[in-house]
Amino acid sequence: AQKITQTQPGMFVQEKEAVTLDCTYDTSDQSYGLFWYKQPSSGEMIFLIYQGSYDEQNATEGRYSLNFQKARKSANLVISASQLGDSAMYFCAMREGRDGNNRLAFGKGNQVVVIP
Amino acid sequence: SQTIHQWPATLVQPVGSPLSLECTVEGTSNPNLYWYRQAAGRGLQLLFYSVGIGQISSEVPQNLSASRPQDRQFILSSKKLLLSDSGFYLCAWSGRGIGAGARMDTGELFFGEGSRLTVL
Repeated sequence: AQKITQTQPGMFVQEKEAVTLDCTYDTSDQSYGLFWYKQPSSGEMIFLIYQGSYDEQNATEGRYSLNFQKARKSANLVISASQLGDSAMYFCAMREGRDGNNRLAFGKGNQVVVIP
Repeated sequence: SQTIHQWPATLVQPVGSPLSLECTVEGTSNPNLYWYRQAAGRGLQLLFYSVGIGQISSEVPQNLSASRPQDRQFILSSKKLLLSDSGFYLCAWSGRGIGAGARMDTGELFFGEGSRLTVL
Protein backbone atom coordinates (compact mmCIF):
# COMPACT_ATOMS: atom_id res chain seq x y z
CA ALA A 1 0.00 0.00 0.00
CA GLN A 2 1.20 3.47 -0.82
CA LYS A 3 2.44 5.24 2.28
CA ILE A 4 2.68 8.74 0.88
CA THR A 5 0.03 10.14 -1.44
CA GLN A 6 0.48 13.24 -3.54
CA THR A 7 -2.28 13.44 -6.13
CA GLN A 8 -2.40 17.02 -7.29
CA PRO A 9 -1.79 17.57 -10.99
CA GLY A 10 0.86 20.02 -12.11
CA MET A 11 0.26 23.47 -10.71
CA PHE A 12 0.81 26.93 -12.14
CA VAL A 13 1.31 29.61 -9.54
CA GLN A 14 1.53 33.34 -9.99
CA GLU A 15 4.71 34.89 -8.69
CA LYS A 16 4.32 36.30 -5.16
CA GLU A 17 1.23 34.15 -4.51
CA ALA A 18 1.12 31.34 -1.95
CA VAL A 19 0.72 27.71 -2.95
CA THR A 20 -0.29 24.66 -0.94
CA LEU A 21 0.92 21.20 -1.86
CA ASP A 22 -1.08 18.31 -0.47
CA CYS A 23 0.39 15.24 1.16
CA THR A 24 -1.36 12.47 3.03
CA TYR A 25 0.39 9.56 4.67
CA ASP A 26 -0.42 6.16 6.07
CA THR A 27 1.27 4.69 9.10
CA SER A 28 0.41 2.77 12.24
CA ASP A 29 3.51 3.99 14.06
CA GLN A 30 3.22 6.59 16.79
CA SER A 31 6.69 7.92 16.11
CA TYR A 32 7.44 9.09 12.61
CA GLY A 33 8.86 12.03 10.72
CA LEU A 34 7.65 13.90 7.69
CA PHE A 35 9.86 15.68 5.18
CA TRP A 36 9.48 17.84 2.13
CA TYR A 37 12.14 17.97 -0.55
CA LYS A 38 12.44 20.15 -3.62
CA GLN A 39 13.85 18.81 -6.88
CA PRO A 40 14.63 21.43 -9.53
CA SER A 41 15.30 20.44 -13.13
CA SER A 42 18.96 19.83 -12.26
CA GLY A 43 17.86 16.75 -10.33
CA GLU A 44 19.36 17.51 -6.94
CA MET A 45 17.18 16.85 -3.91
CA ILE A 46 16.98 19.85 -1.59
CA PHE A 47 15.63 19.45 1.93
CA LEU A 48 12.98 22.02 2.79
CA ILE A 49 11.28 21.21 6.06
CA TYR A 50 10.77 18.53 8.70
CA GLN A 51 7.89 17.72 11.06
CA GLY A 52 8.13 15.18 13.83
CA SER A 53 5.02 13.28 14.82
CA TYR A 54 5.31 14.51 18.40
CA ASP A 55 5.89 18.13 17.46
CA GLU A 56 2.95 20.15 18.68
CA GLN A 57 3.61 23.16 16.53
CA ASN A 58 3.67 23.28 12.76
CA ALA A 59 7.17 23.47 11.35
CA THR A 60 8.30 26.61 9.57
CA GLU A 61 11.46 27.36 7.60
CA GLY A 62 11.51 30.79 6.02
CA ARG A 63 8.86 30.87 3.29
CA TYR A 64 8.01 27.21 3.88
CA SER A 65 5.53 26.02 6.45
CA LEU A 66 4.03 22.64 7.07
CA ASN A 67 0.34 22.34 7.88
CA PHE A 68 0.42 19.22 10.03
CA GLN A 69 -2.97 17.66 10.78
CA LYS A 70 -2.17 14.48 12.64
CA ALA A 71 -5.70 13.15 12.96
CA ARG A 72 -6.20 13.50 9.22
CA LYS A 73 -2.71 12.19 8.51
CA SER A 74 -1.91 15.10 6.30
CA ALA A 75 1.23 17.21 6.03
CA ASN A 76 0.64 19.90 3.46
CA LEU A 77 3.46 22.21 2.41
CA VAL A 78 2.71 25.90 2.10
CA ILE A 79 5.07 28.08 0.08
CA SER A 80 4.42 31.75 0.64
CA ALA A 81 5.38 34.57 -1.73
CA SER A 82 6.31 32.24 -4.61
CA GLN A 83 9.42 33.05 -6.57
CA LEU A 84 10.42 31.95 -10.06
CA GLY A 85 13.10 29.78 -8.50
CA ASP A 86 10.42 27.77 -6.73
CA SER A 87 9.56 26.05 -10.01
CA ALA A 88 10.39 22.42 -9.33
CA MET A 89 9.06 19.03 -8.29
CA TYR A 90 8.19 18.76 -4.62
CA PHE A 91 8.28 15.46 -2.78
CA CYS A 92 6.72 14.54 0.52
CA ALA A 93 8.43 11.74 2.44
CA MET A 94 7.97 9.84 5.68
CA ARG A 95 10.32 8.08 8.06
CA GLU A 96 8.63 5.45 10.17
CA GLY A 97 9.72 4.12 13.50
CA ARG A 98 12.83 4.69 15.53
CA ASP A 99 15.02 1.78 14.51
CA GLY A 100 17.73 4.01 13.13
CA ASN A 101 17.49 2.73 9.57
CA ASN A 102 15.96 6.05 8.49
CA ARG A 103 14.43 4.72 5.32
CA LEU A 104 12.23 7.37 3.77
CA ALA A 105 9.18 6.53 1.67
CA PHE A 106 8.51 9.17 -0.97
CA GLY A 107 5.37 10.28 -2.72
CA LYS A 108 5.22 10.70 -6.48
CA GLY A 109 5.69 14.44 -6.25
CA ASN A 110 3.93 17.66 -7.18
CA GLN A 111 5.08 19.71 -10.16
CA VAL A 112 4.99 23.46 -9.53
CA VAL A 113 5.59 26.11 -12.17
CA VAL A 114 5.78 29.71 -11.02
CA ILE A 115 4.80 32.21 -13.69
CA PRO A 116 5.73 35.90 -13.67
CA SER B 1 30.97 19.73 7.08
CA GLN B 2 29.60 16.62 5.46
CA THR B 3 29.56 16.12 1.72
CA ILE B 4 28.35 13.38 -0.56
CA HIS B 5 29.52 12.83 -4.09
CA GLN B 6 28.45 10.32 -6.69
CA TRP B 7 29.67 9.56 -10.18
CA PRO B 8 29.41 9.38 -13.06
CA ALA B 9 26.83 12.11 -13.50
CA THR B 10 25.64 10.78 -16.84
CA LEU B 11 25.92 7.35 -18.37
CA VAL B 12 24.68 5.84 -21.63
CA GLN B 13 25.04 2.08 -21.76
CA PRO B 14 23.88 -0.67 -24.13
CA VAL B 15 21.57 -3.40 -22.96
CA GLY B 16 23.51 -6.26 -21.44
CA SER B 17 26.50 -4.18 -20.41
CA PRO B 18 27.70 -3.90 -16.80
CA LEU B 19 27.13 -0.95 -14.51
CA SER B 20 29.00 0.61 -11.65
CA LEU B 21 27.87 3.77 -9.87
CA GLU B 22 29.94 4.98 -6.98
CA CYS B 23 29.09 7.16 -4.03
CA THR B 24 31.33 8.50 -1.27
CA VAL B 25 30.59 10.50 1.85
CA GLU B 26 33.03 12.78 3.62
CA GLY B 27 32.96 14.47 6.98
CA THR B 28 31.03 11.86 8.92
CA SER B 29 31.56 8.34 10.11
CA ASN B 30 29.34 5.27 10.23
CA PRO B 31 26.55 6.78 8.15
CA ASN B 32 23.52 4.93 6.85
CA LEU B 33 23.76 4.81 3.06
CA TYR B 34 21.02 4.49 0.46
CA TRP B 35 20.47 4.04 -3.25
CA TYR B 36 17.24 5.38 -4.72
CA ARG B 37 16.02 5.26 -8.30
CA GLN B 38 13.71 7.75 -9.93
CA ALA B 39 12.06 6.77 -13.19
CA ALA B 40 11.07 9.61 -15.53
CA GLY B 41 8.33 11.71 -13.93
CA ARG B 42 8.05 9.43 -10.93
CA GLY B 43 8.86 9.44 -7.26
CA LEU B 44 11.88 7.91 -5.59
CA GLN B 45 12.06 4.17 -5.11
CA LEU B 46 14.42 2.81 -2.46
CA LEU B 47 16.66 0.12 -3.93
CA PHE B 48 19.23 -0.63 -1.23
CA TYR B 49 20.31 0.64 2.14
CA SER B 50 23.25 -0.12 4.35
CA VAL B 51 23.82 0.41 8.07
CA GLY B 52 27.46 -0.71 8.03
CA ILE B 53 30.34 -2.14 6.04
CA GLY B 54 29.24 -5.24 4.19
CA GLN B 55 25.66 -4.91 5.42
CA ILE B 56 23.26 -4.47 2.52
CA SER B 57 19.48 -4.64 2.57
CA SER B 58 17.53 -4.86 -0.67
CA GLU B 59 14.10 -3.34 -0.92
CA VAL B 60 13.20 -4.37 -4.46
CA PRO B 61 14.27 -7.59 -6.23
CA GLN B 62 16.01 -6.78 -9.50
CA ASN B 63 19.18 -7.35 -11.46
CA LEU B 64 21.01 -4.66 -9.48
CA SER B 65 23.27 -5.19 -6.50
CA ALA B 66 24.98 -2.94 -3.99
CA SER B 67 28.16 -3.17 -1.98
CA ARG B 68 29.76 -1.21 0.82
CA PRO B 69 33.46 -2.04 0.82
CA GLN B 70 34.37 0.88 3.10
CA ASP B 71 32.50 2.86 5.74
CA ARG B 72 31.80 5.83 3.49
CA GLN B 73 31.66 4.16 0.10
CA PHE B 74 28.55 2.72 -1.52
CA ILE B 75 28.52 1.11 -4.96
CA LEU B 76 25.59 0.18 -7.18
CA SER B 77 26.29 -2.49 -9.77
CA SER B 78 24.75 -4.63 -12.42
CA LYS B 79 26.25 -7.44 -14.47
CA LYS B 80 23.80 -7.00 -17.36
CA LEU B 81 21.70 -3.89 -17.76
CA LEU B 82 18.09 -3.98 -18.90
CA LEU B 83 16.17 -1.23 -20.68
CA SER B 84 14.05 -0.86 -17.57
CA ASP B 85 17.15 0.09 -15.55
CA SER B 86 17.15 3.51 -17.18
CA GLY B 87 16.52 6.28 -14.68
CA PHE B 88 18.00 8.78 -12.30
CA TYR B 89 19.93 7.19 -9.45
CA LEU B 90 20.43 9.03 -6.22
CA CYS B 91 22.77 8.11 -3.42
CA ALA B 92 22.02 9.44 0.05
CA TRP B 93 23.30 9.24 3.60
CA SER B 94 21.75 9.82 7.00
CA GLY B 95 22.89 9.96 10.57
CA ARG B 96 22.08 7.24 13.07
CA GLY B 97 20.46 9.13 15.86
CA ILE B 98 16.73 9.55 16.19
CA GLY B 99 15.47 12.39 18.25
CA ALA B 100 14.35 15.96 18.29
CA GLY B 101 16.48 18.86 17.25
CA ALA B 102 19.55 18.47 15.05
CA ARG B 103 18.95 17.74 11.40
CA MET B 104 21.04 14.60 11.53
CA ASP B 105 18.88 13.27 14.33
CA THR B 106 15.66 13.58 12.39
CA GLY B 107 16.60 10.91 9.91
CA GLU B 108 16.92 13.46 7.13
CA LEU B 109 18.52 12.12 3.99
CA PHE B 110 21.35 14.09 2.41
CA PHE B 111 21.50 13.39 -1.30
CA GLY B 112 24.24 13.28 -3.88
CA GLU B 113 24.01 15.02 -7.21
CA GLY B 114 22.47 12.04 -8.96
CA SER B 115 23.52 9.83 -11.89
CA ARG B 116 21.40 9.73 -15.01
CA LEU B 117 21.52 6.32 -16.67
CA THR B 118 20.18 5.67 -20.15
CA VAL B 119 20.14 2.08 -21.35
CA LEU B 120 19.81 1.71 -25.12
